[in-house]
Amino acid sequence: ETGVTQSPTHLIKTRGQQVTLRCSSQSGHNTVSWYQQALGQGPQFIFQYYREEENGRGNFPPRFSGLQFPNYSSELNVNALELDDSALYLCASSLVLRAGGPDSYEQYFGPGTRLTVT
Amino acid sequence: KNEVEQSPQNLTAQEGEFITINCSYSVGISALHWLQQHPGGGIVSLFMLSSGKKKHGRLIATINIQEKHSSLHITASHPRDSAVYICAVLLITQGGSEKLVFGKGTKLTVNP
Repeated sequence: ETGVTQSPTHLIKTRGQQVTLRCSSQSGHNTVSWYQQALGQGPQFIFQYYREEENGRGNFPPRFSGLQFPNYSSELNVNALELDDSALYLCASSLVLRAGGPDSYEQYFGPGTRLTVT
Repeated sequence: KNEVEQSPQNLTAQEGEFITINCSYSVGISALHWLQQHPGGGIVSLFMLSSGKKKHGRLIATINIQEKHSSLHITASHPRDSAVYICAVLLITQGGSEKLVFGKGTKLTVNP
């Protein structure tokens, strides 16, 4: 039990639709990272939010966007869904003492949301 | 070429065997994580290390920064250890943020 929850657990959407995935971080954690894990692959970094600001982004198009809220919750939004967006989406929270510093604590992962795009 | 390479991809062992999973990386890192992922997706962080060795129960993780190599060892393996084990390195990006870069994972099956 990591204290990080995600909702929903499973989701089926149609190509072209929009989706919002939610993550509730561990209390006190100021940083949340989102990852996409395609079947049989390791997770890929989408972006990271630190104190409600985007603090780094992987190689994902702008239709992937996020929000982080003061109550330790966050969202991943994906617009104009494509079939290749079908994956497990993981969020992970951590406590970073300063942005850009290599002094973050362990990342605590949520159970993931399995998104299927048909 | 992936920045993080794991071997083997698949590993089958008999209960009680000593298991080693290897991870090599090609970039400078600030830390390395070993993660465990069970069927269904949930990921658990086993270790985060930046030097030396850490031990937790039957699990031991080592890292050699000069050789850019880490190993995860499981002593007296048990069927409940069956899972995918993922190596992930923590990078500091040019913009100053940090991100995890993951290996593809090693699927471990321990038979009774």
